[in-house]
Order: sequence, then C-alpha cells, then structure tokens
Amino acid sequence: QVQLQESGPGLVKPSETLSLTCTVSGYSISSGYYWGWIRQPPGKGLEWIGSIYHSGSTYYNPSLKSRVTISVDTSKNQFSLKLSSVTAADTAVYYCARDFMVRGVKFLDYWGQGTLVTVSS
Amino acid sequence: SYVLTQPPSVSVAPGKTARITCGGNNIGSKSVHWYQQKPGQAPVLVIYYDSDRPSGIPERFSGSNSGNTATLTISRVEAGDEADYYCQVWDSSSDHHYVFGTGTKVTVL
Repeated sequence: QVQLQESGPGLVKPSETLSLTCTVSGYSISSGYYWGWIRQPPGKGLEWIGSIYHSGSTYYNPSLKSRVTISVDTSKNQFSLKLSSVTAADTAVYYCARDFMVRGVKFLDYWGQGTLVTVSS
Repeated sequence: SYVLTQPPSVSVAPGKTARITCGGNNIGSKSVHWYQQKPGQAPVLVIYYDSDRPSGIPERFSGSNSGNTATLTISRVEAGDEADYYCQVWDSSSDHHYVFGTGTKVTVL
C-alpha cells in the first residue's frame, strides 16, 4: 500500500520561503510515476502546484511557476516543495500525491493526509 | 485556460440518487476523474477514466461523460456519502497541467 506523509513548518512569515517534504512508503519513487503537490486554502477548492519525476523532470502550474521549486531525493524516497515570497494567500492545506499517468491521461491516486501551512508574522 | 464548473451544492435523501455535474467545453473529449473529500480529510479518488472505480470504491459510484458535461452518480445514497466532490481533467492542450472543478457539497438530508 502506497503511503505519503507531508512534513514541515506549520507557520511561515510573509515574504519567506515555504518548505515541505513528502515521504513515500510502500513504493520506491525510483520505480516510476510522477509525484505532485496540491494545495487547498481554508474553505476553498483544490489547486495543483506541480509534479516531479524520479529523474528530476518537473512541470508546474503556470500561475505559480515563478515561485515554485520541486525536487526529489530518491535515496530517502522523498520529494520536496519550496514556494518563495509567500503571502497570506498561500495559507492552505498542502497535500502530496502520486501523479498517475496512463495513455496520456493523468490523475492523483494516492494522497497524503495534508499539512496546514499558515503564512503570518 | 480550461475551466470546469460544478454546482456548489446538491441535496439528496438517503436511499435516493445524487447526480453531480461537471461542465467544460467539449469535456466529452477528455478523461474525467472524480474525488471525494470528507471534512478534515484528504481527497480520495472515486472514479477515473470517466467511469472506472478504484479498488474499494462501492459500485454505487458511477460516472459518465459526453458533450459538455460529465456526471458523477451516487446511487442509494448513504449518510457516509456526505462530502465535497471534485472533478478533474488533465489539460494537455497548452501548459500541461491539472484542472480541478469548483467542487460540489453533497448533503444527505
């Protein structure tokens, strides 16, 4: 059973960089698939942030691309998110998930439980 | 960019059928996936490729997709089905990214 767990600070100051890590168990990241980050502001809908392959290949939401960096550490079976220059609008529950692709179609089949990140001074 | 529109809320009595729509331009030409999200929990995939169910998802959940509307149908609704539901497509036409619907709150009366 694939399991994902987010970790990182729950409070980030405005203008600083948000950093989160997702640890995967039950599946080796090196075996394939993309791995992604999604966020959900309180009381609002889902927004995909970006995804990464074990090789390091990435693709990002165009609306966040200038501030997002996703990286992978296959030795630790982890991937990470950095979001720079955060504001209160970046306050959200952040989820990591497996980005499943077959026949040119993508969806998210396994999700972490999510972690709330609040941007406040 | 591609937009998916869902009704904000749907109410249904126990044992009845709930239908949740997801509107998008020529959405029938895309594959649509559906997620269920209960309060305080992560989303769970309930339908993929328009109408396939992941292992462990009850047969009461079904999907269809044609024209400009995709539909998630929940038959014989139970109290435990009360949740937010999101549709999703993969937009490969331009910037290659995930698009989520606006979400529908299903209330079991």
